[in-house]
Amino acid sequence: NAGVTQTPKFRILKIGQSMTLQCTQDMNHNYMYWYRQDPGMGLKLIYYSVGAGITDKGEVPNGYNVSRSTTEDFPLRLELAAPSQTSVYFCASTEAFNTEAFFGQGTRLTVV
Amino acid sequence: EDQVTQSPEALRLQEGESSSLNCSYTVSGLRGLFWYRQDPGKGPEFLFTLYSAGEEKEKERLKATLTKKESFLHITAPKPEDSATYLCAVRGSQGNLIFGKGTKLSVKP
Repeated sequence: NAGVTQTPKFRILKIGQSMTLQCTQDMNHNYMYWYRQDPGMGLKLIYYSVGAGITDKGEVPNGYNVSRSTTEDFPLRLELAAPSQTSVYFCASTEAFNTEAFFGQGTRLTVV
Repeated sequence: EDQVTQSPEALRLQEGESSSLNCSYTVSGLRGLFWYRQDPGKGPEFLFTLYSAGEEKEKERLKATLTKKESFLHITAPKPEDSATYLCAVRGSQGNLIFGKGTKLSVKP
């Protein structure tokens, strides 16, 4: 039982490039989330999904897009990368609305 | 506005020196308060969920308590392996977790 798996672990992008951060979970959770964590700040919600085919914006969605075609996968797309998107990105999932979240190991992204 | 404030930002303890971490929250209708532990370079790891004032939960040297305005994470006789950043979060109206900035705990032998 792997839980939540994120790839890649590290990535360096040039300004204006695009990339997709992958997230998959094997717990059959309906709820999935993308957070970013900046130094000295709490985790901020980017996008979330309550089930396959349903996504919605969180607190800081600008510059990102998501899709949820299956229960297991919730990729995060960065279009036209900017230095402000340098951060550590975490994917998480929950079984229900008010249960604990399980997090992946994170993707450390640097935009130069 | 839903908000979580943790204090102190950093805490240094000697091994065996008990202490408490504070999490103050403002939320319209508490749907759960969560404590996580985060080690450097890792994702947050779930510790406890508390749902109602007066509730307490324990795990090894850690004990979490909840009132109507704050939660405490008590650490009894800590060991160096307890060194980590401890995160507090509440469930927001969108179902997402609203996190505090964390308390970085260092336990010296």
